[in-house]
Amino acid sequence: DIVMTQSPDSLAVSLGERATINCKSSQSVLYSSDNKNYLVWYQQKPGQPPKLLIYWASTRESGVPDRFSGSGSGTDFTLTISSLRAEDVAVYYCQQYYDAPLTFGGGTKVEIK
Amino acid sequence: EVQLVESGGGSVQPGGSLRLSCAASGFSFSIYWMSWVRQAPGKGLEWVANIKQDGSDKNYLDSVKGRFTISRDNAKNSLFLQMNSLRVEDTAVYYCAKQRDPIATPLSIYNSWGQGTLVTVSS
Repeated sequence: DIVMTQSPDSLAVSLGERATINCKSSQSVLYSSDNKNYLVWYQQKPGQPPKLLIYWASTRESGVPDRFSGSGSGTDFTLTISSLRAEDVAVYYCQQYYDAPLTFGGGTKVEIK
Repeated sequence: EVQLVESGGGSVQPGGSLRLSCAASGFSFSIYWMSWVRQAPGKGLEWVANIKQDGSDKNYLDSVKGRFTISRDNAKNSLFLQMNSLRVEDTAVYYCAKQRDPIATPLSIYNSWGQGTLVTVSS
């Protein structure tokens, strides 16, 4: 199984400041035939199901604010919130869809400092 | 609007059984792989099982193989998870999830989730 490791476990960021979350996979999730990274980011607010934010590592889902961006390739990925807003308080998960079984990172909790 | 509504959760003793249901609406249910994903209290997400559009292919997390069975009824736009020989470690909120695009592969991302149903396994 591909192991997804997120860091940090939690972070506190001031409103308007940048938040950076890292995700590392135990093997590459870059598929050579299409040059796509099979990596997705979800946001989960308390008491709610996850919400799709970014797929193919860097493609923003429709309706997701552009302060959310994804980057990285191969085994190392980053989710960046460029200017944190109060409504961004949540747990963020990465997930690989390169190979079965689908696996998630352990989550990163983002709070307001 | 896509809606996924889970039901059937509850409290059960170890070794017991439960059958979860997911009622889908607002999309063409029969053309999507569907999945169950669970989340233990205060923990992260864990994919459990998925099923192909016509029910001919099913995949399971190793720890639930032989105990859980995923199925679907496309005529009734419904997804099911029969859970037998339940263990304490199966305690979680179980989500029904729809793949983003109606593709042939089970390796999916999910753009629609239900609110979940809580399964508690305890003596």
